[in-house]
Amino acid sequence: GESVGLHLPTLSVQEGDNSIINCAYSNSASDYFIWYKQESGKGPQFIIDIRSNMDKRQGQRVTVLLNKTVKHLSLQIAATQPGDSAVYFCALGAAGNKLTFGGGTRVLVKP
Amino acid sequence: NAGVMQNPRHLVRRRGQEARLRCSPMKGHSHVYWYRQLPEEGLKFMVYLQKENIIDESGMPKERFSAEFPKEGPSILRIQQVVRGDSAAYFCASRLREGTEAFFGQGTRLTVV
Repeated sequence: GESVGLHLPTLSVQEGDNSIINCAYSNSASDYFIWYKQESGKGPQFIIDIRSNMDKRQGQRVTVLLNKTVKHLSLQIAATQPGDSAVYFCALGAAGNKLTFGGGTRVLVKP
Repeated sequence: NAGVMQNPRHLVRRRGQEARLRCSPMKGHSHVYWYRQLPEEGLKFMVYLQKENIIDESGMPKERFSAEFPKEGPSILRIQQVVRGDSAAYFCASRLREGTEAFFGQGTRLTVV
């Protein structure tokens, strides 16, 4: 079956530094990948997505990298701010079915 | 343009009672997903519905749990004869179509006492 995993359960980062969150997946049929941010007591919030025909996509302060060869996805946050403290989930989807979520990485931004 | 609306936000039920969780998707969205989340864990898929159809219920327990998304009205996740292990946050998400982002509601936190 498919699975999605994360390398680091908790990431502490100094305010202003860059953050990198990693995600490994196993389902080769996945063609759509999303990063979500979840703050305490709230629902997941969409950050950025990428399709399998791309290997990089940039947003405001965030970049997602996709390496299909090794089935690896990463989220880079530039100049991390206190408001970036949250749990980050990767999710992957394939045609005709649901989004599957990873276990999450908690990002703690130190002032 | 309202987002995904879930109610109630908090629900307390005694063991053996029924819990009904409601989800109104974003306007125009016909794809609805239900997820369950335990504290400090990820989101576990339960069921994927389109209007009047269950597309994928592979994550739903075989007993006591059911879901519907009628032609009119919100999607309902129903848990009969709740047990303490059902205590969790239940999130609903909607999408315009496959291959687009799913938008989540704020969740319903179910506590079984």
